[in-house]
Amino acid sequence: ETGVTQTPRHLVMGMTNKKSLKCEQHLGHNAMYWYKQSAKKPLELMFVYNFKEQTENNSVPSRFSPECPNSSHLFLHLHTLQPEDSALYLCASSQDGWGHQPQHFGDGTRLSIL
Amino acid sequence: LAKTTQPISMDSYEGQEVNITCSHNNIATNDYITWYQQFPSQGPRFIIQGYKTKVTNEVASLFIPADRKSSTLSLPRVSLSDTAVYYCLVGSNNAGNMLTFGGGTRLMVKP
Repeated sequence: ETGVTQTPRHLVMGMTNKKSLKCEQHLGHNAMYWYKQSAKKPLELMFVYNFKEQTENNSVPSRFSPECPNSSHLFLHLHTLQPEDSALYLCASSQDGWGHQPQHFGDGTRLSIL
Repeated sequence: LAKTTQPISMDSYEGQEVNITCSHNNIATNDYITWYQQFPSQGPRFIIQGYKTKVTNEVASLFIPADRKSSTLSLPRVSLSDTAVYYCLVGSNNAGNMLTFGGGTRLMVKP
């Protein structure tokens, strides 16, 4: 139990579908992150939210749309994805986005694009 | 943005001490050094963090020399369950200073 819960754990979708990934943290943290981890590649930071404000967008294609309605929840809306978007999507949280506090990760959503 | 270099893989045997070194030659004054462990199909887990000298907790030690251009994660008496990928991360969460994970070190512990 990491305190960061991601749903669903697995998702298979076609390129024309629209789906959303959900992340919830129970740690009282104020910063939340989305990462992408493809096979044989390092984790890639996608988005950062600090106190519900997006502070980083690491040149992510617009077919990925994040949403952070409050400090405990983070969504990643997906539409018209490509096969190369198949990966493990990880959510993380930290106390805030300014210091050096360690990040707490969920176990990810394994996404497969048909 | 500090870049890290780690060995791609290491092998060890149960009961041995394992030391994984990370190079970070352009570490900045505000940067901390953080190590994570990741098992397959799971998210990374925080192991230890330090700024300088030595830090020890219940699972590992972190050695950082005075120039801070490298760090060594020490795992005492490893077991089969320590087989995982270990990531060294250098930086801070300051806005505009995005954290970057490197390729990590794949540790294989053999019986």
